[in-house]
Amino acid sequence: ETGVTQSPTHLIKTRGQQVTLRCSSQSGHNTVSWYQQALGQGPQFIFQYYREEENGRGNFPPRFSGLQFPNYSSELNVNALELDDSALYLCASSLAAQQETQYFGPGTRLLVL
Amino acid sequence: GENVEQHPSTLSVQEGDSAVIKCTYSDSASNYFPWYKQELGKGPQLIIDIRSNVGEKKDQRIAVTLNKTAKHFSLHITETQPEDSAVYFCAASRYTGGFKTIFGAGTRLFVKA
Repeated sequence: ETGVTQSPTHLIKTRGQQVTLRCSSQSGHNTVSWYQQALGQGPQFIFQYYREEENGRGNFPPRFSGLQFPNYSSELNVNALELDDSALYLCASSLAAQQETQYFGPGTRLLVL
Repeated sequence: GENVEQHPSTLSVQEGDSAVIKCTYSDSASNYFPWYKQELGKGPQLIIDIRSNVGEKKDQRIAVTLNKTAKHFSLHITETQPEDSAVYFCAASRYTGGFKTIFGAGTRLFVKA
């Protein structure tokens, strides 16, 4: 069974730029959630994708957007990067939207200068 | 808004002793409570979970208890080992078309050999 993978592992951007982070869900999982984890804090829910549609969103502005592809992999896009966007971005997959157990990837560490 | 409070933020124990981490949640509709272990440079790893229709669950050295009336849940680790050293997160989740999960701020556990 293949676990959740994310790319890239690290990324440095400057304020105002745009970034795309990628996630491959665990084999057989059709639901992907994205989280932002600031240093020393717990993960914060950004949004969830189920069957290629957004299926719930946390308190993040519209410049955080996403996509899910037919193979259930997913992208997180952040426009107009701000210094406070520096964080570990985590992707988690679950068997279905109705299935509560989530499995996390290793994350992408984003630094905005 | 919904939140999960976690205590203590740091916990240091001697190898072989027990460790207890406590969480309180605010959303009474929460019905799924996972615990995650996060090691340095890695994503959170699910270690145990409990659903709202169960008061206690045990898996080898790890146990979780849930008091729905008080909206409290706790993680108990017995016979701690140095490899238990990590950051532990509690979370509370409820279904709203998809599962929305709120995490606590984390507890950094140090197990001294």
